[in-house]
Amino acid sequence: NAGVTQTPKFRVLKTGQSMTLLCAQDMNHEYMYWYRQDPGMGLRLIHYSVGEGTTAKGEVPDGYNVSRLKKQNFLLGLESAAPSQTSVYFCASSYRSRGLETQYFGPGTRLLVL
Amino acid sequence: SQQGEEDPQALSIQEGENATMNCSYKTSINNLQWYRQNSGRGLVHLILIRSNEREKHSGRLRVTLDTSKKSSSLLITASRAADTASYFCATEANSGGSNYKLTFGKGTLLTVNP
Repeated sequence: NAGVTQTPKFRVLKTGQSMTLLCAQDMNHEYMYWYRQDPGMGLRLIHYSVGEGTTAKGEVPDGYNVSRLKKQNFLLGLESAAPSQTSVYFCASSYRSRGLETQYFGPGTRLLVL
Repeated sequence: SQQGEEDPQALSIQEGENATMNCSYKTSINNLQWYRQNSGRGLVHLILIRSNEREKHSGRLRVTLDTSKKSSSLLITASRAADTASYFCATEANSGGSNYKLTFGKGTLLTVNP
């Protein structure tokens, strides 16, 4: 199993450009998450999904949109990138078993917005 | 806002020594988890402790949980250079319904010197 994969690994954008980050998992997990990690801030949840066709806002959703058209994929879109969105983005997936859940993370996407 | 806060922010020890990291949180939880992040990589789940458990072991890891003080500690015994990483605690709040999101702290950077 590849686990959780993210593409691209690194991207440079100019302010105002748009892009989509792709997350794919091959573990048949129901739940998927997008986080951003900034120095000194830990991980902050952007959006999440509890199943195919569902999405919900996390802690810092502004400026981002997501879609979960297929169970194995979770897309994060930036419609008009801003320098404040320079960050490392992590995708994670999980399932619940006996009321417990642990998350499996991808390797991250480094985004630089100039 | 962050639920968990790790202490210290950074810790430097010699190989063979024990490393202790602490996590404090604010609200009632279902469980608390510890994750490790090697530089430039995604997070990896280490251990989960339920709210009704006080101590848990996994190899060289020992986790304690004190719900009355809303705190947890992670002890790594006989540390190795390969343990050098950032360590994050994550809490699953006891909020009822289907709100199963994890909230991550800012992490402790552990450096183990050979």
